[in-house]
Amino acid sequence: KNEVEQSPQNLTAQEGEFITINCSYSVGISALHWLQQHPGGGIVSLFMLSSGKKKHGRLIATINIQEKHSSLHITASHPRDSAVYICAVTDMYSGGGADGLTFGKGTHLIIQP
Amino acid sequence: EAGVTQSPTHLIKTRGQQATLRCSPISGHTSVYWYQQALGLGLQFLLWYDEGEERNRGNFPPRFSGRQFPNYSSELNVNALELEDSALYLCASDIWGETQYFGPGTRLLVL
Repeated sequence: KNEVEQSPQNLTAQEGEFITINCSYSVGISALHWLQQHPGGGIVSLFMLSSGKKKHGRLIATINIQEKHSSLHITASHPRDSAVYICAVTDMYSGGGADGLTFGKGTHLIIQP
Repeated sequence: EAGVTQSPTHLIKTRGQQATLRCSPISGHTSVYWYQQALGLGLQFLLWYDEGEERNRGNFPPRFSGRQFPNYSSELNVNALELEDSALYLCASDIWGETQYFGPGTRLLVL
């Protein structure tokens, strides 16, 4: 079973700062997901990636398969970016079966004006 | 296009009762996943349904069960409720293992 570790657990930054959240996992995956959860509980999928880098607006996600590591970057951070960011992985398929996502514990991000 | 919907939004039950939670996936999605987010425990995978069949389940007792209907909507049933079942239950859907889209969740409180 995959172990997913995120760092930092909590992060408070000033508006405009460049933010990096890290995620590492223990065994091979078919995909890694970055999710955003707002205080009301709703979850939004930000990225799903299996190699390289993806960019959407001010968000950038990278993954290094060999090192089993991914990073989520936020450029020009804004108070509305305040949320919990969760890394999750889909384990390698075997025999046609697959688990749902395995989640990290999340990073609580607060961006102060 | 409508997103994943869940009902009810909130549910209050007492110990020993049964709870039924419902999920409607995005149109065209054939897989439905159920997750539990209990306070302090993070998100955990509960069940995966695809094309009407249970494909996999997480480390949860058999009193957590469900089904997927021909229209791909799904039901999660929790029998013999215990206090620690109080949690946010999230449903997600996808097709062909692509990006999962999450519903707003059902908050279950067991008294």
